[in-house]
Amino acid sequence: EAQVTQNPRYLITVTGKKLTVTCSQNMNHEYMSWYRQDPGLGLRQIYYSMNVEVTDKGDVPEGYKVSRKEKRNFPLILESPSPNQTSLYFCASSLGRGGTEAFFGQGTRLTVV
Amino acid sequence: AQSVTQPDIHITVSEGASLELRCNYSYGATPYLFWYVQSPGQGLQLLLKYFSGDTLVQGIKGFEAEFKRSQSSFNLRKPSVHWSDAAEYFCAVGAVDTDKLIFGTGTRLQVFP
Repeated sequence: EAQVTQNPRYLITVTGKKLTVTCSQNMNHEYMSWYRQDPGLGLRQIYYSMNVEVTDKGDVPEGYKVSRKEKRNFPLILESPSPNQTSLYFCASSLGRGGTEAFFGQGTRLTVV
Repeated sequence: AQSVTQPDIHITVSEGASLELRCNYSYGATPYLFWYVQSPGQGLQLLLKYFSGDTLVQGIKGFEAEFKRSQSSFNLRKPSVHWSDAAEYFCAVGAVDTDKLIFGTGTRLQVFP
């Protein structure tokens, strides 16, 4: 089954404690991205990757890092989480850039206290 | 700059009633337009998309949308709503030469029996 898998689904952490949210897709898609969803703001892109070892900033990259060492994986790293990063995070993959259908993971609800 | 506006934050309808969710976009060239649905606790699922051609597009779950270039709109419709349609709906715009989808802020649909 074609899917994007994120882990964990829920995470509560403390300010400053580094964390990683994993994302994996099995569709051989070149393009992957991370979004955060906040009430009243919709989804905003954090980072994206057009291929292995190629990543770039989206609209809200501050406080986040990503890596793309393999085509299927695109982890999101919060080196020093802060409460304003409490949000619902989605990983997505697609065959191409903004003009193609994106497939989304089920989301990771992160709470930073 | 690209933008998407969903004017209705929250809509309530009775089961069996018709539905129209509004979406207006701003984009300089021909956009690619999408409607996604997010059920509670789930990721986003594509309902339908418009790239070119027939301006009335059919999607899954009985939804359809009409692209109106003159009004910069891409409204989502369903003739008869089911209780299982209760969810949040996102309109998005993209283009082949961009690196992201721009999402609206979403419309939450509530369905009463």
